[in-house]
Amino acid sequence: DQQVKQNSPSLSVQEGRISILNCDYTNSMFDYFLWYKKYPAEGPTFLISISSIKDKNEDGRFTVFLNKSAKHLSLHIVPSQPGDSAVYFCAASHTGTASKLTFGTGTRLQVTL
Amino acid sequence: NAGVTQTPKFQVLKTGQSMTLQCAQDMNHNSMYWYRQDPGMGLRLIYYSASEGTTDKGEVPNGYNVSRLNKREFSLRLESAAPSQTSVYFCASSAWGAGNTIYFGEGSWLTVV
Repeated sequence: DQQVKQNSPSLSVQEGRISILNCDYTNSMFDYFLWYKKYPAEGPTFLISISSIKDKNEDGRFTVFLNKSAKHLSLHIVPSQPGDSAVYFCAASHTGTASKLTFGTGTRLQVTL
Repeated sequence: NAGVTQTPKFQVLKTGQSMTLQCAQDMNHNSMYWYRQDPGMGLRLIYYSASEGTTDKGEVPNGYNVSRLNKREFSLRLESAAPSQTSVYFCASSAWGAGNTIYFGEGSWLTVV
C-alpha cells in the first residue's frame, strides 16, 4: 500500500515558468514532509522540508505548501531553470519513527529552453 | 567533505553468491539507513539503525542482513543473492530524531544474474 503517492511520473516545463510537483499521502500520522532531488547516477539530495504545524515553507526559488485536510503537498519552483531537470521525490515521516522516511515514486521534471 | 561513502559502486553477482555493501559516514550521525531504488517504486527502506547498537527492519528486509559496526559504519549483506535483488542501493545517515534531514550516499548498482 503506497502511503506517499506522486501520481505524475513526469512533467515538462519551459524555462522561466513555474513548475508544480504534487504529492498525496494517506497516513494521517505523518507530521514531517520533505522533498529530495535526484540527478542520474547520484544519491538523492535534500531540497526543502515542512512540518505539519506549518502550511508553507519557502527557500529561494522553492516553496512547499502543505494542505493537511486534503493530505496533499506541493513543491513550486519559480522560475524554473534547466538545472532543475531531475527526479523529485516526496517523502514523509512521523514522530516516533526517528527520521525513517517513506518515499513517493518520484516525478521526473524536464525544464526546456 | 565526504559525507556518506558507500562501496562498491558497481557489482555483478551470480545467483546464490553473497556480498556485503559497505557504508561509512563522517557527520557524527546516530542514525543510518539502507534503501533500495527500483524503477517505478521510489526508495524503499530495507533496514535502519536508529543508534549505535540497534538495528531494525524496514519495509523490505527479506534476503538482507545488516551490521552496525560502530557509529560511523553500517553494512548491508546479501547472503544468497537473487535476481530480485538487482537494484540501486543507497546508504544514508541522519541525526537521531524526527525532523532531521537524511543525507544519502551516491548509490551502489547491483546486478544479480
